[in-house]
Amino acid sequence: AQTVTQSQPEMSVQEAETVTLSCTYDTSESDYYLFWYKQPPSRQMILVIRQEAYKQQNATENRFSVNFQKAAKSFSLKISDSQLGDAAMYFCAYRSGLTGANSKLTFGKGITLSVRP
Amino acid sequence: KAGVTQTPRYLIKTRGQQVTLSCSPISGHRSVSWYQQTPGQGLQFLFEYFSETQRNKGNFPGRFSGRQFSNSRSEMNVSTLELGDSALYLCASSFLGGEMGEQFFGPGTRLTVL
Repeated sequence: AQTVTQSQPEMSVQEAETVTLSCTYDTSESDYYLFWYKQPPSRQMILVIRQEAYKQQNATENRFSVNFQKAAKSFSLKISDSQLGDAAMYFCAYRSGLTGANSKLTFGKGITLSVRP
Repeated sequence: KAGVTQTPRYLIKTRGQQVTLSCSPISGHRSVSWYQQTPGQGLQFLFEYFSETQRNKGNFPGRFSGRQFSNSRSEMNVSTLELGDSALYLCASSFLGGEMGEQFFGPGTRLTVL
Protein backbone atom coordinates (compact mmCIF):
# COMPACT_ATOMS: atom_id res chain seq x y z
CA ALA A 1 0.00 0.00 0.00
CA GLN A 2 1.12 3.50 -0.68
CA THR A 3 2.03 5.73 2.24
CA VAL A 4 2.79 9.43 2.46
CA THR A 5 4.87 10.83 5.30
CA GLN A 6 5.11 14.41 6.43
CA SER A 7 7.42 14.33 9.42
CA GLN A 8 7.24 17.99 10.39
CA PRO A 9 3.95 18.82 12.12
CA GLU A 10 4.57 22.56 12.24
CA MET A 11 6.77 25.14 10.59
CA SER A 12 7.09 28.88 10.79
CA VAL A 13 8.45 31.38 8.29
CA GLN A 14 9.03 35.11 8.25
CA GLU A 15 6.99 37.07 5.74
CA ALA A 16 8.87 37.47 2.42
CA GLU A 17 11.23 34.59 3.27
CA THR A 18 11.40 31.14 1.71
CA VAL A 19 10.26 27.93 3.35
CA THR A 20 10.46 24.28 2.30
CA LEU A 21 7.94 21.67 3.39
CA SER A 22 9.07 18.04 3.24
CA CYS A 23 7.22 14.96 2.06
CA THR A 24 8.29 11.40 1.40
CA TYR A 25 6.22 8.58 0.00
CA ASP A 26 6.45 4.89 -0.51
CA THR A 27 5.19 3.08 -3.59
CA SER A 28 6.16 0.21 -5.84
CA GLU A 29 4.53 1.82 -8.87
CA SER A 30 6.35 3.72 -11.57
CA ASP A 31 3.51 5.89 -12.81
CA TYR A 32 1.72 8.14 -10.34
CA TYR A 33 0.90 11.72 -9.47
CA LEU A 34 1.86 13.83 -6.51
CA PHE A 35 0.05 16.87 -5.18
CA TRP A 36 0.33 19.55 -2.57
CA TYR A 37 -2.96 20.80 -1.17
CA LYS A 38 -3.49 23.82 1.05
CA GLN A 39 -6.21 23.91 3.69
CA PRO A 40 -6.72 27.36 5.25
CA PRO A 41 -8.84 27.88 8.37
CA SER A 42 -11.94 27.91 6.14
CA ARG A 43 -11.20 24.16 5.62
CA GLN A 44 -11.55 24.42 1.83
CA MET A 45 -8.90 22.21 0.26
CA ILE A 46 -7.11 24.02 -2.54
CA LEU A 47 -4.69 22.44 -4.99
CA VAL A 48 -1.35 24.23 -4.85
CA ILE A 49 0.78 22.26 -7.28
CA ARG A 50 0.97 18.86 -8.97
CA GLN A 51 3.68 16.68 -10.42
CA GLU A 52 3.55 13.74 -12.80
CA ALA A 53 6.04 11.05 -11.88
CA TYR A 54 7.18 10.52 -15.46
CA LYS A 55 8.18 14.16 -15.82
CA GLN A 56 11.72 14.93 -14.75
CA GLN A 57 11.15 18.66 -14.71
CA ASN A 58 10.02 20.02 -11.37
CA ALA A 59 6.64 21.74 -11.39
CA THR A 60 6.37 25.45 -10.70
CA GLU A 61 3.35 27.63 -10.04
CA ASN A 62 4.24 31.26 -9.39
CA ARG A 63 5.81 31.36 -5.90
CA PHE A 64 5.39 27.62 -5.39
CA SER A 65 7.79 25.03 -6.71
CA VAL A 66 8.60 21.42 -5.94
CA ASN A 67 11.75 19.38 -5.67
CA PHE A 68 10.78 15.97 -6.97
CA GLN A 69 13.34 13.24 -6.37
CA LYS A 70 11.83 10.06 -7.78
CA ALA A 71 14.61 7.70 -6.74
CA ALA A 72 14.55 9.02 -3.20
CA LYS A 73 10.74 9.15 -3.22
CA SER A 74 10.83 12.70 -2.00
CA PHE A 75 8.49 15.54 -2.95
CA SER A 76 9.14 18.82 -1.15
CA LEU A 77 7.31 22.11 -1.62
CA LYS A 78 9.15 25.42 -1.67
CA ILE A 79 7.24 28.61 -1.03
CA SER A 80 9.13 31.74 -2.02
CA ASP A 81 8.36 35.27 -0.85
CA SER A 82 5.99 33.95 1.81
CA GLN A 83 2.83 35.92 2.37
CA LEU A 84 0.46 36.09 5.33
CA GLY A 85 -2.16 34.35 3.20
CA ASP A 86 0.08 31.32 2.89
CA ALA A 87 -0.61 30.42 6.51
CA ALA A 88 -2.52 27.16 6.39
CA MET A 89 -2.24 23.43 6.73
CA TYR A 90 -0.45 21.82 3.79
CA PHE A 91 -1.03 18.25 2.73
CA CYS A 92 1.11 16.15 0.47
CA ALA A 93 -0.92 13.60 -1.50
CA TYR A 94 -0.30 10.66 -3.81
CA ARG A 95 -2.46 9.18 -6.53
CA SER A 96 -1.45 6.14 -8.49
CA GLY A 97 -3.61 6.48 -11.57
CA LEU A 98 -6.47 8.22 -13.27
CA THR A 99 -8.82 5.25 -13.29
CA GLY A 100 -9.27 1.95 -11.64
CA ALA A 101 -8.97 0.69 -8.14
CA ASN A 102 -6.02 2.88 -7.22
CA SER A 103 -7.47 6.23 -8.15
CA LYS A 104 -7.88 7.44 -4.56
CA LEU A 105 -5.77 10.16 -3.01
CA THR A 106 -3.54 9.11 -0.11
CA PHE A 107 -2.68 12.04 2.13
CA GLY A 108 0.08 12.73 4.58
CA LYS A 109 -0.77 13.95 8.08
CA GLY A 110 -0.24 17.55 7.05
CA ILE A 111 1.96 20.38 8.25
CA THR A 112 0.76 23.60 9.81
CA LEU A 113 2.56 26.58 8.37
CA SER A 114 2.49 29.89 10.18
CA VAL A 115 3.77 33.13 8.66
CA ARG A 116 5.24 35.78 10.94
CA PRO A 117 4.67 39.42 9.90
CA LYS B 1 -18.03 27.03 -13.55
CA ALA B 2 -19.54 26.55 -10.14
CA GLY B 3 -17.38 24.61 -7.71
CA VAL B 4 -18.18 21.50 -5.74
CA THR B 5 -21.02 22.10 -3.32
CA GLN B 6 -21.84 20.16 -0.19
CA THR B 7 -24.94 20.27 1.93
CA PRO B 8 -25.50 20.73 4.72
CA ARG B 9 -22.39 22.57 5.89
CA TYR B 10 -22.95 21.74 9.56
CA LEU B 11 -24.86 18.96 11.20
CA ILE B 12 -25.41 17.87 14.78
CA LYS B 13 -26.73 14.38 15.48
CA THR B 14 -26.93 12.06 18.44
CA ARG B 15 -25.53 8.56 18.77
CA GLY B 16 -27.57 5.90 17.05
CA GLN B 17 -29.09 8.24 14.50
CA GLN B 18 -28.31 8.14 10.81
CA VAL B 19 -27.25 10.97 8.53
CA THR B 20 -27.14 11.69 4.81
CA LEU B 21 -24.69 14.12 3.28
CA SER B 22 -24.94 15.46 -0.24
CA CYS B 23 -22.35 16.47 -2.80
CA SER B 24 -22.85 18.13 -6.18
CA PRO B 25 -19.75 17.90 -8.38
CA ILE B 26 -18.48 20.42 -10.87
CA SER B 27 -20.53 20.29 -14.05
CA GLY B 28 -19.11 17.64 -16.39
CA HIS B 29 -17.25 15.77 -13.69
CA ARG B 30 -18.22 12.12 -13.44
CA SER B 31 -16.18 10.99 -10.49
CA VAL B 32 -16.98 11.82 -6.88
CA SER B 33 -14.81 10.80 -3.95
CA TRP B 34 -15.49 11.13 -0.26
CA TYR B 35 -12.95 11.66 2.51
CA GLN B 36 -13.21 11.83 6.28
CA GLN B 37 -10.96 14.28 8.12
CA THR B 38 -10.34 14.02 11.85
CA PRO B 39 -7.56 15.46 14.03
CA GLY B 40 -6.40 11.99 15.01
CA GLN B 41 -6.58 10.05 11.75
CA GLY B 42 -6.10 12.86 9.28
CA LEU B 43 -7.65 12.54 5.84
CA GLN B 44 -8.94 9.10 5.03
CA PHE B 45 -10.51 7.90 1.83
CA LEU B 46 -14.06 6.60 2.13
CA PHE B 47 -15.14 5.70 -1.39
CA GLU B 48 -15.25 6.81 -5.00
CA TYR B 49 -18.14 6.73 -7.42
CA PHE B 50 -17.94 6.92 -11.18
CA SER B 51 -20.95 6.77 -13.46
CA GLU B 52 -23.19 5.60 -10.62
CA THR B 53 -20.88 2.73 -9.69
CA GLN B 54 -18.70 2.44 -6.63
CA ARG B 55 -15.24 1.96 -8.02
CA ASN B 56 -13.08 2.09 -4.94
CA LYS B 57 -13.67 1.76 -1.21
CA GLY B 58 -11.59 2.61 1.84
CA ASN B 59 -11.36 0.75 5.13
CA PHE B 60 -14.52 1.88 6.80
CA PRO B 61 -17.29 -0.23 8.34
CA GLY B 62 -20.45 -1.03 6.46
CA ARG B 63 -22.28 1.73 8.35
CA PHE B 64 -20.75 4.07 5.79
CA SER B 65 -22.37 3.84 2.42
CA GLY B 66 -22.90 6.00 -0.60
CA ARG B 67 -24.45 6.28 -3.98
CA GLN B 68 -24.26 8.37 -7.10
CA PHE B 69 -27.11 9.51 -9.28
CA SER B 70 -27.31 9.82 -13.04
CA ASN B 71 -26.54 13.55 -12.82
CA SER B 72 -23.31 12.66 -10.92
CA ARG B 73 -24.56 14.07 -7.65
CA SER B 74 -23.57 11.84 -4.76
CA GLU B 75 -24.80 11.12 -1.28
CA MET B 76 -23.13 9.37 1.59
CA ASN B 77 -24.99 7.83 4.47
CA VAL B 78 -23.80 6.92 7.91
CA SER B 79 -26.08 4.73 9.96
CA THR B 80 -26.03 4.10 13.71
CA LEU B 81 -23.82 7.08 14.38
CA GLU B 82 -20.99 6.78 16.90
CA LEU B 83 -19.11 9.54 18.70
CA GLY B 84 -16.05 8.73 16.63
CA ASP B 85 -17.90 9.63 13.43
CA SER B 86 -17.60 13.30 14.34
CA ALA B 87 -15.49 14.71 11.55
CA LEU B 88 -15.26 16.96 8.55
CA TYR B 89 -16.52 15.06 5.51
CA LEU B 90 -15.04 16.26 2.26
CA CYS B 91 -16.28 15.52 -1.20
CA ALA B 92 -14.10 15.87 -4.28
CA SER B 93 -14.93 15.63 -7.96
CA SER B 94 -12.75 15.02 -10.96
CA PHE B 95 -13.23 14.80 -14.68
CA LEU B 96 -11.07 11.74 -15.20
CA GLY B 97 -9.40 11.93 -18.54
CA GLY B 98 -7.55 15.14 -18.15
CA GLU B 99 -5.70 17.41 -15.75
CA MET B 100 -3.75 14.50 -14.25
CA GLY B 101 -6.58 13.29 -12.13
CA GLU B 102 -6.87 16.54 -10.25
CA GLN B 103 -9.61 16.43 -7.65
CA PHE B 104 -11.52 19.56 -6.74
CA PHE B 105 -12.79 19.68 -3.19
CA GLY B 106 -15.98 21.04 -1.73
CA PRO B 107 -16.11 23.07 1.49
CA GLY B 108 -17.01 20.01 3.56
CA THR B 109 -19.75 19.05 5.97
CA ARG B 110 -18.90 19.30 9.64
CA LEU B 111 -20.68 16.47 11.46
CA THR B 112 -20.86 16.49 15.23
CA VAL B 113 -22.19 13.43 17.02
CA LEU B 114 -23.33 13.95 20.61
